[in-house]
Amino acid sequence: AAGVIQSPRHLIKEKRETATLKCYPIPRHDTVYWYQQGPGQDPQFLISFYEKMQSDKGSIPDRFSAQQFSDYHSELNMSSLELGDSALYFCASSPAYIRGQETQYFGPGTRLLVL
Amino acid sequence: AQSVTQLDSQVPVFEEAPVELRCNYSSSVSVYLFWYVQYPNQGLQLLLKYLSGSTLVKGINGFEAEFNKSQTSFHLRKPSVHISDTAEYFCAVSVTQGGKLIFGQGTELSVKP
Repeated sequence: AAGVIQSPRHLIKEKRETATLKCYPIPRHDTVYWYQQGPGQDPQFLISFYEKMQSDKGSIPDRFSAQQFSDYHSELNMSSLELGDSALYFCASSPAYIRGQETQYFGPGTRLLVL
Repeated sequence: AQSVTQLDSQVPVFEEAPVELRCNYSSSVSVYLFWYVQYPNQGLQLLLKYLSGSTLVKGINGFEAEFNKSQTSFHLRKPSVHISDTAEYFCAVSVTQGGKLIFGQGTELSVKP
């Protein structure tokens, strides 16, 4: 079965640079979620989109922005990178608004290292 | 606000022994409950979920969990663990259909031969 695809899988950036992370949801999933997992930490919700509209917002820095496109893929744009942004960034997708299908399926993550 | 507490940060256990990973949650409204497993350097894989109905839910790899509303708990169990079960286990809740997941701090299960 198709899974959530994230690219790139690994990314190394310098401080103050920008980064763009991409997420391709499972086909027919209309909702995308972004989570950040710092070293040794639990995943923290950043932002979600349903049908290309922002549906919820968590602890996402103002330096970050995201959007969902017409083909349902999503991009997380990160500017003015800081050392503390080094983390594993997960994307998850779900057919969220179909009752009984609330499960979020996670991608393998993008590991971002800021030097 | 909702919160999830996993009571054990690390659980060492010998192969073929039973294991229980504890999870308690706090919420003033009904919740959906999930257990995810994260193998080293990998993403999160769903083990099982409770949405409604029977309080005992069975998942993949022989795991099961029981929802206890009065205790606000959702403990994960396996009667006999394998070396391959060594991983980080996360309990999570969401309060709305399609809503964000709130994770616990994780429990590192280490299965020794």
